[in-house]
Amino acid sequence: KAGVTQTPRYLIKTRGQQVTLSCSPISGHRSVSWYQQTPGQGLQFLFEYFSETQRNKGNFPGRFSGRQFSNSRSEMNVSTLELGDSALYLCASSLEGDSQGYTFGSGTRLTVV
Amino acid sequence: EDKVVQSPLSLVVHEGDTVTLNCSYEVTNFRSLLWYKQEKKAPTFLFMLTSSGIEKKSGRLSSILDKKELFSILNITATQTGDSAIYLCAVGNVGSRLTFGEGTQLTVNP
Repeated sequence: KAGVTQTPRYLIKTRGQQVTLSCSPISGHRSVSWYQQTPGQGLQFLFEYFSETQRNKGNFPGRFSGRQFSNSRSEMNVSTLELGDSALYLCASSLEGDSQGYTFGSGTRLTVV
Repeated sequence: EDKVVQSPLSLVVHEGDTVTLNCSYEVTNFRSLLWYKQEKKAPTFLFMLTSSGIEKKSGRLSSILDKKELFSILNITATQTGDSAIYLCAVGNVGSRLTFGEGTQLTVNP
């Protein structure tokens, strides 16, 4: 079966712009979680969507937002980009949101210049 | 605040060496501890540990959890260059989020 697909793979944006990242979960998985990975900080939880509703949220500013569609695909949006937003953004899908059943995508590498 | 600390942060060894990676944690409502291997981008699952003292093994890799002392170790014996990767430790509590450590960058030289 197809894995978790994230698009685009790479992205370069300038400060102040906004960006939208996409994540298509494994077929049948209803939960999508997003993580930000930076050197020195590891993976940090952004938020989780389940059945089109945000069910859990990490400690990130309101510039970071997301949504989930009826087919479980999820998008993450970052507005007013800052240099510090440069990171690898990973999404993980699972059947019901059980973190023990995560499958990660390959991520989107965002560079803000 | 939940916290996971891994050590060392980086390690360089020669093929054939045995390595031990450490992970300590402080989380509320502990449910499980997971180890992942990240070679390029997507972390891939290695082990999930929920009970103290029970070793999980997969080939040359093994891991054990000590819930009293709040730590886990990941052992890799007879290392190979293909073991070079970032090894991530994460702790899950009730719910859907994982708290990750910074990771250990392992480099295995031929």
